[in-house]
Amino acid sequence: AQSVAQPEDQVNVAEGNPLTVKCTYSVSGNPYLFWYVQYPNRGLQFLLKYITGDNLVKGSYGFEAEFNKSQTSFHLKKPSALVSDSALYFCAVSPYNTDKLIFGTGTRLQVFP
Amino acid sequence: DGGITQSPKYLFRKEGQNVTLSCEQNLNHDAMYWYRQDPGQGLRLIYYSQIVNDFQKGDIAEGYSVSREKKESFPLTVTSAQKNPTAFYLCASSIRGGNNEQFFGPGTRLTVL
Repeated sequence: AQSVAQPEDQVNVAEGNPLTVKCTYSVSGNPYLFWYVQYPNRGLQFLLKYITGDNLVKGSYGFEAEFNKSQTSFHLKKPSALVSDSALYFCAVSPYNTDKLIFGTGTRLQVFP
Repeated sequence: DGGITQSPKYLFRKEGQNVTLSCEQNLNHDAMYWYRQDPGQGLRLIYYSQIVNDFQKGDIAEGYSVSREKKESFPLTVTSAQKNPTAFYLCASSIRGGNNEQFFGPGTRLTVL
Protein backbone atom coordinates (compact mmCIF):
# COMPACT_ATOMS: atom_id res chain seq x y z
CA ALA A 1 0.00 0.00 0.00
CA GLN A 2 1.15 3.50 -0.77
CA SER A 3 1.71 5.62 2.31
CA VAL A 4 3.48 8.52 3.94
CA ALA A 5 4.83 8.40 7.49
CA GLN A 6 5.61 11.31 9.77
CA PRO A 7 7.01 9.51 12.80
CA GLU A 8 6.90 12.47 15.21
CA ASP A 9 3.59 13.89 16.37
CA GLN A 10 5.39 16.92 17.77
CA VAL A 11 8.81 18.52 17.44
CA ASN A 12 10.02 21.08 19.97
CA VAL A 13 12.90 23.40 19.22
CA ALA A 14 14.30 26.61 20.66
CA GLU A 15 14.22 29.76 18.57
CA GLY A 16 17.43 30.16 16.60
CA ASN A 17 18.22 26.45 16.57
CA PRO A 18 18.01 24.30 13.45
CA LEU A 19 14.88 22.22 12.97
CA THR A 20 14.08 18.96 11.19
CA VAL A 21 10.67 17.46 10.56
CA LYS A 22 10.89 13.90 9.30
CA CYS A 23 8.99 12.23 6.46
CA THR A 24 9.32 8.83 4.83
CA TYR A 25 7.23 7.41 2.03
CA SER A 26 6.32 4.12 0.42
CA VAL A 27 5.15 4.34 -3.19
CA SER A 28 5.97 2.58 -6.41
CA GLY A 29 7.83 4.40 -9.15
CA ASN A 30 9.27 7.87 -8.88
CA PRO A 31 7.01 10.04 -6.72
CA TYR A 32 6.53 13.76 -6.49
CA LEU A 33 6.99 15.00 -2.90
CA PHE A 34 5.50 18.02 -1.16
CA TRP A 35 5.51 19.86 2.16
CA TYR A 36 2.60 21.97 3.36
CA VAL A 37 2.07 24.06 6.50
CA GLN A 38 -1.20 24.68 8.33
CA TYR A 39 -1.88 27.42 10.87
CA PRO A 40 -4.80 27.00 13.30
CA ASN A 41 -8.23 26.87 11.66
CA ARG A 42 -6.77 27.64 8.24
CA GLY A 43 -6.21 25.82 4.99
CA LEU A 44 -2.87 24.35 3.99
CA GLN A 45 -0.14 26.47 2.42
CA PHE A 46 2.37 25.03 -0.02
CA LEU A 47 6.02 25.20 1.13
CA LEU A 48 8.06 23.28 -1.41
CA LYS A 49 8.16 20.27 -3.71
CA TYR A 50 10.57 17.79 -5.22
CA ILE A 51 9.95 16.74 -8.79
CA THR A 52 13.35 15.81 -10.16
CA GLY A 53 16.94 17.01 -10.21
CA ASP A 54 18.84 18.42 -7.23
CA ASN A 55 18.07 16.47 -4.06
CA LEU A 56 18.05 19.66 -1.96
CA VAL A 57 14.96 21.73 -2.58
CA LYS A 58 14.51 25.28 -1.29
CA GLY A 59 11.09 26.69 -0.55
CA SER A 60 9.17 29.45 1.17
CA TYR A 61 10.09 31.14 4.48
CA GLY A 62 13.65 29.74 4.50
CA PHE A 63 12.58 26.08 4.55
CA GLU A 64 14.35 23.41 2.56
CA ALA A 65 13.99 19.66 2.17
CA GLU A 66 16.34 16.88 1.19
CA PHE A 67 15.19 14.02 -0.99
CA ASN A 68 16.94 10.72 -0.25
CA LYS A 69 15.90 8.00 -2.65
CA SER A 70 17.73 5.16 -0.95
CA GLN A 71 16.12 5.95 2.40
CA THR A 72 12.79 6.99 0.80
CA SER A 73 12.82 10.12 2.91
CA PHE A 74 12.04 13.78 2.37
CA HIS A 75 12.87 15.59 5.62
CA LEU A 76 11.99 19.26 6.06
CA LYS A 77 14.71 21.51 7.50
CA LYS A 78 15.40 25.09 8.46
CA PRO A 79 18.76 26.40 9.70
CA SER A 80 17.32 28.80 12.29
CA ALA A 81 13.80 28.39 13.69
CA LEU A 82 11.45 31.27 14.44
CA VAL A 83 8.58 31.33 16.93
CA SER A 84 6.32 32.16 13.98
CA ASP A 85 7.24 28.80 12.40
CA SER A 86 5.08 27.08 15.03
CA ALA A 87 2.37 25.26 13.09
CA LEU A 88 1.26 21.87 11.78
CA TYR A 89 3.38 20.48 8.95
CA PHE A 90 2.24 17.89 6.43
CA CYS A 91 4.31 15.81 4.09
CA ALA A 92 2.54 14.52 0.96
CA VAL A 93 3.39 12.32 -1.99
CA SER A 94 1.85 12.11 -5.43
CA PRO A 95 2.48 8.67 -6.91
CA TYR A 96 3.73 8.69 -10.47
CA ASN A 97 1.04 9.23 -13.08
CA THR A 98 -1.74 10.26 -10.68
CA ASP A 99 -3.26 13.60 -9.74
CA LYS A 100 -3.85 12.57 -6.14
CA LEU A 101 -1.93 13.41 -3.00
CA ILE A 102 -1.36 11.04 -0.10
CA PHE A 103 -0.81 12.94 3.14
CA GLY A 104 1.05 12.03 6.29
CA THR A 105 -0.65 12.50 9.64
CA GLY A 106 1.14 15.76 10.32
CA THR A 107 3.81 16.96 12.76
CA ARG A 108 3.19 19.83 15.12
CA LEU A 109 6.22 22.10 15.35
CA GLN A 110 6.56 24.15 18.50
CA VAL A 111 9.30 26.78 18.57
CA PHE A 112 10.02 28.20 22.03
CA PRO A 113 11.44 31.70 22.55
CA ASP B 1 -5.87 30.66 0.78
CA GLY B 2 -5.89 33.10 -2.11
CA GLY B 3 -8.04 32.19 -5.07
CA ILE B 4 -10.20 29.59 -3.36
CA THR B 5 -13.17 30.40 -1.19
CA GLN B 6 -15.16 28.05 0.99
CA SER B 7 -18.40 28.86 2.70
CA PRO B 8 -19.60 28.87 5.32
CA LYS B 9 -16.64 28.89 7.74
CA TYR B 10 -18.70 27.17 10.44
CA LEU B 11 -21.73 24.96 9.87
CA PHE B 12 -24.02 23.23 12.30
CA ARG B 13 -26.30 20.42 11.25
CA LYS B 14 -28.87 18.30 12.97
CA GLU B 15 -28.62 14.56 12.60
CA GLY B 16 -30.51 13.28 9.57
CA GLN B 17 -30.08 16.46 7.54
CA ASN B 18 -28.12 16.84 4.32
CA VAL B 19 -25.84 19.85 4.05
CA THR B 20 -23.89 21.34 1.15
CA LEU B 21 -20.46 22.93 1.45
CA SER B 22 -19.43 25.47 -1.16
CA CYS B 23 -16.06 25.67 -2.91
CA GLU B 24 -15.25 28.24 -5.59
CA GLN B 25 -11.92 28.97 -7.30
CA ASN B 26 -10.82 31.72 -9.67
CA LEU B 27 -7.44 30.20 -10.53
CA ASN B 28 -8.63 28.61 -13.78
CA HIS B 29 -7.62 25.19 -12.46
CA ASP B 30 -9.06 22.06 -14.05
CA ALA B 31 -8.60 19.80 -11.01
CA MET B 32 -10.46 20.19 -7.72
CA TYR B 33 -10.45 18.12 -4.56
CA TRP B 34 -12.31 17.62 -1.29
CA TYR B 35 -10.54 16.44 1.84
CA ARG B 36 -11.66 15.66 5.34
CA GLN B 37 -9.33 16.47 8.26
CA ASP B 38 -9.67 14.79 11.65
CA PRO B 39 -7.21 15.22 14.53
CA GLY B 40 -4.27 12.83 14.24
CA GLN B 41 -5.36 11.45 10.88
CA GLY B 42 -4.05 13.94 8.39
CA LEU B 43 -6.09 14.70 5.30
CA ARG B 44 -8.18 12.04 3.61
CA LEU B 45 -9.47 12.40 0.06
CA ILE B 46 -13.25 12.33 -0.34
CA TYR B 47 -13.77 13.14 -4.04
CA TYR B 48 -11.80 14.73 -6.82
CA SER B 49 -12.51 16.09 -10.26
CA GLN B 50 -10.03 16.50 -13.09
CA ILE B 51 -12.41 18.19 -15.52
CA VAL B 52 -15.90 19.65 -15.70
CA ASN B 53 -18.72 17.08 -15.59
CA ASP B 54 -16.43 14.34 -14.33
CA PHE B 55 -15.39 13.27 -10.83
CA GLN B 56 -14.01 10.22 -9.04
CA LYS B 57 -14.34 8.77 -5.57
CA GLY B 58 -11.48 9.14 -3.19
CA ASP B 59 -10.64 7.01 -0.19
CA ILE B 60 -13.67 7.89 1.96
CA ALA B 61 -16.52 8.75 -0.45
CA GLU B 62 -19.31 6.91 1.37
CA GLY B 63 -21.97 9.30 2.63
CA TYR B 64 -20.82 12.17 0.42
CA SER B 65 -21.75 13.42 -3.05
CA VAL B 66 -20.36 16.08 -5.40
CA SER B 67 -21.09 17.79 -8.69
CA ARG B 68 -18.86 19.63 -11.17
CA GLU B 69 -21.13 21.59 -13.48
CA LYS B 70 -18.79 24.57 -13.74
CA LYS B 71 -15.01 24.78 -13.80
CA GLU B 72 -15.01 27.24 -10.91
CA SER B 73 -17.28 25.33 -8.55
CA PHE B 74 -17.12 21.95 -6.79
CA PRO B 75 -19.77 21.70 -4.05
CA LEU B 76 -19.76 18.84 -1.55
CA THR B 77 -22.95 17.44 -0.02
CA VAL B 78 -22.68 15.62 3.27
CA THR B 79 -25.65 13.29 3.38
CA SER B 80 -27.45 11.73 6.31
CA ALA B 81 -25.74 8.45 5.36
CA GLN B 82 -22.39 9.78 6.59
CA LYS B 83 -22.10 8.25 10.04
CA ASN B 84 -19.60 10.62 11.58
CA PRO B 85 -19.69 13.90 9.66
CA THR B 86 -18.24 16.23 12.30
CA ALA B 87 -14.88 17.32 10.88
CA PHE B 88 -12.92 20.07 9.16
CA TYR B 89 -13.46 20.01 5.38
CA LEU B 90 -10.88 21.39 2.97
CA CYS B 91 -11.27 22.10 -0.72
CA ALA B 92 -8.28 22.40 -3.06
CA SER B 93 -7.54 23.00 -6.71
CA SER B 94 -4.56 22.55 -9.00
CA ILE B 95 -3.35 22.46 -12.55
CA ARG B 96 -3.76 18.88 -13.76
CA GLY B 97 -0.73 16.68 -13.21
CA GLY B 98 0.69 15.18 -10.03
CA ASN B 99 3.76 17.41 -10.13
CA ASN B 100 1.68 20.53 -9.51
CA GLU B 101 0.98 21.78 -6.02
CA GLN B 102 -2.57 22.05 -4.75
CA PHE B 103 -3.97 25.34 -3.50
CA PHE B 104 -6.26 25.08 -0.48
CA GLY B 105 -9.27 27.03 0.68
CA PRO B 106 -9.68 28.19 4.30
CA GLY B 107 -11.90 25.23 5.23
CA THR B 108 -15.38 24.64 6.66
CA ARG B 109 -15.84 23.23 10.13
CA LEU B 110 -18.96 21.07 10.24
CA THR B 111 -20.50 20.10 13.54
CA VAL B 112 -23.40 17.71 13.85
CA LEU B 113 -25.61 18.45 16.83
